[in-house]
Order: sequence, then C-alpha cells, then structure tokens
Amino acid sequence: GAVVSQHPSWVICKSGTSVKIECRSLDFQATTMFWYRQFPKQSLMLMATSNEGSKATYEQGVEKDKFLINHASLTLSTLTVTSAHPEDSSFYICSATQELAGANSYNEQFFGPGTRLTVL
Amino acid sequence: AQSVSQHNHHVILSEAASLELGCNYSYGGTVNLFWYVQYPGQHLQLLLKYFSGDPLVKGIKGFEAEFIKSKFSFNLRKPSVQWSDTAEYFCAVNGWNTGNQFYFGTGTSLTVIP
Repeated sequence: GAVVSQHPSWVICKSGTSVKIECRSLDFQATTMFWYRQFPKQSLMLMATSNEGSKATYEQGVEKDKFLINHASLTLSTLTVTSAHPEDSSFYICSATQELAGANSYNEQFFGPGTRLTVL
Repeated sequence: AQSVSQHNHHVILSEAASLELGCNYSYGGTVNLFWYVQYPGQHLQLLLKYFSGDPLVKGIKGFEAEFIKSKFSFNLRKPSVQWSDTAEYFCAVNGWNTGNQFYFGTGTSLTVIP
C-alpha cells in the first residue's frame, strides 16, 4: 500500500519558537493532504486540508496564522507551528490521498505515523 | 455539519469473547464509512470501508461491520477477539460530494486480556 512518512517523529521545543513538520508521500503523488491533531485518549481533529499549489483550507477554530501549511509539491506538505506554546503540545498526524477516481468518489487516505510535539 | 459518535470509550474483553463497537453518524446525504485501527505506537490503518452495495462489509483480521442506514449506524464486530486486537478503534465518515474530508469519532480503546 501507499506509504506516508512524517519528520520528525517527535520534537521538543521552547515556548515561543517555531516548529516545522514534514509530511511526504513516498510512492505516490498526493493531490490532497490533511493535517490532524490528536490529544491523548481523544480522536483525530481535522485541522486543515491542503491541495498542491493552492492555499490550505482550515477548519473552524484553527488559526491559520499559527499553523502555517505549505503544499509545495505533490509529495510534500509542511505544517509550521509558529510561536509554539505549551497548549500546542499534541500529536500531529498527516494523511494523503491519491487522485484515483473522478469527482464524487472516494479516494483512500493513507496516514503518516504522526509527530509528537512537546512545547516546554 | 457531520458528526460521528462512538458509544464505548473503553472496552475490556477476554480472549475469544465477541466484540461489537458502536458507531453512529449524523449527515443528511450519502456517506462513505470507515473503521480504522491504531495499534499502540503505530499509525492509523484501515480495517474496512463501505461506500455502496452489500451493507455487511468484511475487513482485515476477521473484522466486519454492518451499515444500517435507517439507524445511521456502522457497528464493528468480531466474533472472537485475540490479545493482538488490543488497540484504539476509530469510526470515520466521509460525506459524498464533500471532498475527501474525514470526520472521526472519539475512538474506542479495546483491551483484550489473554
């Protein structure tokens, strides 16, 4: 199956610094990538949808100036947590879809292994 | 707006017991439905999915789920669990014609006691 990687797998940073997380589709071209946030013992919360070459679409309540998303190529999307604070500590997961079908069809999402962010 | 609810937050079973995890969704249109599993320390993996046809779908590792449209439900079942089924299980919904956005339930933590 398709493989999605994330880097780094974990990161610890000081409050006020910025952290960049990369999401790569290794063996397919991802037309769309998604960023999720997962709190301990809770579900995945969709943060934003990212299409290659265009601006990301953020879910309600997600600050686009704080969580900068760039989808520069069909295999790479990045999430930058700017001026991170302890409340941003979480598990960030990306997923990617490959455009296999036409409109109104389902494209399977492949999930990355996640990035554990701890802000001190 | 779509929402997904999973009634059981934490389930503990002995090996060989039968499993049923509930999932209900709210969405006015046609949906695609999924169950994902997250083993400890691993990423999400697709267990099974439904988008049309036979409402009883079979997935990997002996899991199955039944889509009951009238009840807006998509419960996950397994007749005999194993210790290796210990994991977090997430139900997810993707609305037809709403792009690829997934909405996840809160998850059910399953612990199987040997």
